[in-house]
Amino acid sequence: SQQGEEDPQALSIQEGENATMNCSYKTSINNLQWYRQNSGRGLVHLILIRSNEREKHSGRLRVTLDTSKKSSSLLITASRAADTASYFCATANQAGTALIFGKGTTLSVSS
Amino acid sequence: DARVTQTPRHKVTEMGQEVTMRCQPILGHNTVFWYRQTMMQGLELLAYFRNRAPLDDSGMPKDRFSAEMPDATLATLKIQPSEPRDSAVYFCASGPQGTGRNSPLHFGNGTRLTVT
Repeated sequence: SQQGEEDPQALSIQEGENATMNCSYKTSINNLQWYRQNSGRGLVHLILIRSNEREKHSGRLRVTLDTSKKSSSLLITASRAADTASYFCATANQAGTALIFGKGTTLSVSS
Repeated sequence: DARVTQTPRHKVTEMGQEVTMRCQPILGHNTVFWYRQTMMQGLELLAYFRNRAPLDDSGMPKDRFSAEMPDATLATLKIQPSEPRDSAVYFCASGPQGTGRNSPLHFGNGTRLTVT
C-alpha cells in the first residue's frame, strides 16, 4: 500500500495564483520528499524536508510538515503555465531502503 | 548534467512476446530502482538493487518479471511472456547510498510499454 496520498487529485488555477497540494502519510518518517513530473518525463526531485523541520523554502516553493498530523503541504506561489505538471510526495518504506510515492496531484495552470 | 538513461523510450509488442527494458544509472550511484506507473495504481515499486545486489523484488510478479544488474552501468527489467495488463510506463531511478532516508532519487524518462 502507498505510504503517501496527495490531495486534491487535480487542481486547475490561473497564472499568478497560488497552488496548494497536500500529502498525508501513515507511518513515522525520517524525511518527506516532493517530486514533480512533466508529461511524458520522469520525476524530478524538488525538495526534501526532514522530520525535525516544520517549514522549508526553495524559490517559489514552500513545504510544511506536521508530523503530529502526518501531513505535508506544498505551496507554489505566483504560479506560471510552466508549473503545469503532476506533483508527488514520497516517504521511505519501513526498512528505509526505498521511496514510496503517492498517486500525485495534477496541477494545470492556465495563462 | 548526469542523468539516468532508459531504452527504449517506447515499445509496442504483442502478448506473449519477451520485453527487455534497459537502464543506465548515474555513475557513482549504488542504488537502482524500478517503478511502474499506471493511471489506476500510480507509481508502484517493483524491485531495487544496492551495489548490484537485489534488495527487494516483492513488488514484481515473479512468474513473468525478472530484474538484474549485470554490471554497475546496466540494469535490466525483463517480462516474459508479456500480457496486456503489463502496459504501463516503467521508470528506472538511481540514487547514492542513503536513498530512501536522506537522498533524492534521479529518474530516467521511462519506457512506455504497450502490449496488444
